[in-house]
Amino acid sequence: GENVEQHPSTLSVQEGDSAVIKCTYSDSASNYFPWYKQELGKRPQLIIDIRSNVGEKKDQRIAVTLNKTAKHFSLHITETQPEDSAVYFCAVMFSGGYNKLIFGAGTRLAVHP
Amino acid sequence: GAVVSQHPSRVICKSGTSVKIECRSLDFQATTMFWYRQFPKQSLMLMATSNEGSKATYEQGVEKDKFLINHASLTLSTLTVTSAHPEDSSFYICSARLEVGELFFGEGSRLTVL
Repeated sequence: GENVEQHPSTLSVQEGDSAVIKCTYSDSASNYFPWYKQELGKRPQLIIDIRSNVGEKKDQRIAVTLNKTAKHFSLHITETQPEDSAVYFCAVMFSGGYNKLIFGAGTRLAVHP
Repeated sequence: GAVVSQHPSRVICKSGTSVKIECRSLDFQATTMFWYRQFPKQSLMLMATSNEGSKATYEQGVEKDKFLINHASLTLSTLTVTSAHPEDSSFYICSARLEVGELFFGEGSRLTVL
């Protein structure tokens, strides 16, 4: 089946700390794993993505790691800032059909000054 | 990145009426578009895959006769919520992709059914 699990559901950190959000998925053939940031009332914005042919990707303070064997991937935010506060969603593109993107349940990140 | 535009951004309607939401890819052609629904404080739930020139593919549990999808051209997909009821109130978001990979989202349409 198409299953994406995301943890934790809420995360509270102090400014400057790191935040880690983890997702697991069910389809071993999946090969595209994006992370989206969504602010209240707005559309999701892609912040980083990774494909199955690499194990890690970094973009400034944001990184994503992928373990295909274990079928999990994680978002790492370092040196968090108050403006990082938002809801973060992982997603998995499931193979077959129209390559639909299924989202995790989301993580509400709060960064306290 | 690619631009996807959605209209209207907000709509309020009476129970029993139908509402149409448009999704346009402004600078690229999209043979496939995806419609999601998001309830408050919840995730994006895929409703259906819209395919240009053919019938939409609905996810399990989504009523195709209630949520009519039409993808008449390579740049336009429409979602019509028929006989809307208060439980249909939600944030509806469309999306499209250039190629296999990044999904670009419309601004979303907040539907409130009174």
